[in-house]
Amino acid sequence: AQSVTQLGSHVSVSEGALVLLRCNYSSSVPPYLFWYVQYPNQGLQLLLKYTSAATLVKGINGFEAEFKKSETSFHLTKPSAHMSDAAEYFCAVESSLNTGFQKLVFGTGTRLL
Amino acid sequence: EAGVAQSPRYKIIEKRQSVAFWCNPISGHATLYWYQQILGQGPKLLIQFQNNGVVDDSQLPKDRFSAERLKGVDSTLKIQPAKLEDSAVYLCASSLAGERRRTQYFGPGTRLTVL
Repeated sequence: AQSVTQLGSHVSVSEGALVLLRCNYSSSVPPYLFWYVQYPNQGLQLLLKYTSAATLVKGINGFEAEFKKSETSFHLTKPSAHMSDAAEYFCAVESSLNTGFQKLVFGTGTRLL
Repeated sequence: EAGVAQSPRYKIIEKRQSVAFWCNPISGHATLYWYQQILGQGPKLLIQFQNNGVVDDSQLPKDRFSAERLKGVDSTLKIQPAKLEDSAVYLCASSLAGERRRTQYFGPGTRLTVL
């Protein structure tokens, strides 16, 4: 079964500093991977997704993530943090049902302070 | 384009009471999902509909939870009777279709507190 592990439940950075949020996946098949952001009292919003087209994926708000098969990782980065980036970030892997439909399995989240 | 709508936003009940949540997906989205997000955890899929049919309900506690999407548009999730451990945020999401790589769009959620 597919799963993701997010290292660090909380990450603190200074404004202007590099943001690095870690995600490692486990999958027996080539994975499709997602990063979502959740602002306080709001639902989840898609930041970016990896669907095997390119290993470096650019998303909204200046975020990007690189798929590294050898390390089974899909870490999220942003060169310069902004106050508005404070939120909870979730990594997710797609798990296909026997029906052919999609099911997302989420990590436990990382709160960016 | 309107997003996924959910109501109520907050609900406080006592254990053993019943509660229902409503979700209206983005227009034209055939697939609808209900997730449970317990504090400090990631969302967990409870049930997935394709139009008005259930695709996956393997993690739905069927002895107390039920969900329906009668006309293939909006949906209702019910808990009867509620337990303390049901305290969580219940998120509804929708997508154009359930095939692989589709983006899911989430509503703001309903925060349930069971006392």
